[in-house]
Amino acid sequence: SYVLTQPPSVSVAPGQTARITCGGNNIGSKSVHWYQQKPGQAPVLVVYDDSDRPSGIPERFSGSNSGNTATLTISRVEAGDEADYYCQVWDSSSDLFYVFGTGTKVTVL
Amino acid sequence: QVTLKESGPALVKPTQTLTLTCTFSGFSLSTSGMRVSWIRQPPGKALEWLARIDWDDDKFYSTSLKTRLTISKDTSKNQVVLTMTNMDPVDTATYYCARILAVAGDNWFDPWGQGTLVTVSS
Repeated sequence: SYVLTQPPSVSVAPGQTARITCGGNNIGSKSVHWYQQKPGQAPVLVVYDDSDRPSGIPERFSGSNSGNTATLTISRVEAGDEADYYCQVWDSSSDLFYVFGTGTKVTVL
Repeated sequence: QVTLKESGPALVKPTQTLTLTCTFSGFSLSTSGMRVSWIRQPPGKALEWLARIDWDDDKFYSTSLKTRLTISKDTSKNQVVLTMTNMDPVDTATYYCARILAVAGDNWFDPWGQGTLVTVSS
């Protein structure tokens, strides 16, 4: 089955830029979606189709996808961005159909 | 505004069958293109997709859990029900339902319900 690998943790100072990677075989050929999950809360979609933002999501959140790596970038990081982030793809050929990444904990220093 | 809310038992015993209900508003599962999924998350672990049901009653399951899962819908009540048989302590998790948005052949989850924690223990 298709596997998405994320770094377990990313630390960033307020005002700086956080980059969260999501690695998968030829992931650039798929659309990648990103979710933010704060402690005790349900996931929230922050980026879909590699780089689009749902309404209400700040422009500070952006995404890119090429080759074997997709990236979620959070610019001008704020304390409220501290959360777990998950990437996701839809793979109709996979036994899972919907594959989530391993998750990355973003810590704001 | 689209909302979803999960309900069901907080505690089940090993070997029992779990039944969870997702009650939603703001859309209809009788509308072409609408889909709802169940996803779970063991404590401290990653998200795992379980099942999906479509407006036309097509159903899809995670291959590894397919023999234990059944998903169904009651369009008149705006509900989707998931049953999981032969529960085990490793099935302890928060169970979420979510609407699937499908555009140009791709799928993502938005929004999600608040989740319901299910503990499997004797």
